[in-house]
Amino acid sequence: GDQVEQSPSALSLHEGTDSALRCNFTTTMRSVQWFRQNSRGSLISLFYLASGTKENGRLKSAFDSKERRYSTLHIRDAQLEDSGTYFCAAEAAGYQNFYFGKGTSLTVIP
Amino acid sequence: GALVYQYPRRTICKSGTSMRMECQAVGFQATSVAWYRQSPQKTFELIALSTVNSAIKYEQNFTQEKFPISHPNLSFSSMTVLNAYLEDRGLYLCGAREGNTGQLYFGEGSKLTVL
Repeated sequence: GDQVEQSPSALSLHEGTDSALRCNFTTTMRSVQWFRQNSRGSLISLFYLASGTKENGRLKSAFDSKERRYSTLHIRDAQLEDSGTYFCAAEAAGYQNFYFGKGTSLTVIP
Repeated sequence: GALVYQYPRRTICKSGTSMRMECQAVGFQATSVAWYRQSPQKTFELIALSTVNSAIKYEQNFTQEKFPISHPNLSFSSMTVLNAYLEDRGLYLCGAREGNTGQLYFGEGSKLTVL
């Protein structure tokens, strides 16, 4: 079964608003990485976390440090260029494989 | 900075023929390389994980006979899709893992279309 459950699958935001994406894990994860896939198919790394939170501009990500069973990606003051498909990928403790969520298709509306 | 070059970007091949793709890590040492296929529906499937000096681990439903992988050093890996058929189409991505940080870096992918 799927180890990474990502939600929502699709999201529409008005410019200037905030929202959050979430990935739940069916097992304890060692680390998580968030990506945005552009229209050419390239996966652009946004954050890599082994614990805690990281922030970069209007984006902020958190990885549950206690049970390591979920991660979030917050988007503040959404802009048109934030549109795209966002993926989380998580590495299970004891393994080296990263498993992907099914993605969130984000559309920012003027 | 860390970059991953993957080529070719796209291939159109006839059913039953093969496609080879290559992945080059630049600016870091890739201690492991994971090959993925992204379906037209955008779902990612892990094909195999290749670690230098270790056996390549294939996921269920993927075999070495169908997807042979070469990973001779810390900067290069290649994978071939043998006897490609319609169900093999998709975007193939290599994710190179940096040994120091553990972070994955991806190439731009190789899109396979099978006629």
